[in-house]
Amino acid sequence: QQQVKQSPQSLIVQKGGIPIINCAYENTAFDYFPWYQQFPGKGPALLIAIRPDVSEKKEGRFTISFNKSAKQFSLHIMDSQPGDSATYFCAAWGKSTFGDGTTLTVKP
Amino acid sequence: DSGVTQTPKHLITATGQRVTLRCSPRSGDLSVYWYQQSLDQGLQFLIQYYNGEERAKGNILERFSAQQFPDLHSELNLSSLELGDSALYFCASSVSGRVGNEQFFGPGTRLTVL
Repeated sequence: QQQVKQSPQSLIVQKGGIPIINCAYENTAFDYFPWYQQFPGKGPALLIAIRPDVSEKKEGRFTISFNKSAKQFSLHIMDSQPGDSATYFCAAWGKSTFGDGTTLTVKP
Repeated sequence: DSGVTQTPKHLITATGQRVTLRCSPRSGDLSVYWYQQSLDQGLQFLIQYYNGEERAKGNILERFSAQQFPDLHSELNLSSLELGDSALYFCASSVSGRVGNEQFFGPGTRLTVL
């Protein structure tokens, strides 16, 4: 049973675009929602995280929007750059549960 | 560089064999997590240790086991290996293991079972 569903599986945007990656969770006991960024050949690295008592969190060009009632959260990348091309994972803690990942390609 | 080290980087072995993957957490981190990343299943949480004790268990097969030693390094043992065990295995560490503590991931061990 997949407890965190992530979409889309892959995403291609032009430089400057705003890619949006969505995640939905099932377990209301989850209480911490991080996003990880992974480059090829590297381990995932924490990008930004949010707790369910906050509806939005922004760090630099990265924003998490959180909808507790819908049990959904999303990552927005403002002014995307080719260097943002990577795989992005949403996760839900309580127990470490990751989405399947989204491969983002930002074209110059 | 996250400060988490994993050895070996690559491992090629045959079905039925047993291997041991090693992880050294960041200095000061007491908690270690193991994950399996395969092409079709993303990152799967296997198990978490905190200061030598098992803290949480995920989708870890009975053929797999782990432990954390007094010096806080951890080992993941995989036995009776099957083709489907071929994957990247990541170790992560965090300060205390409480929810909300950032997990720092190592570079991974790529296991190929032939």
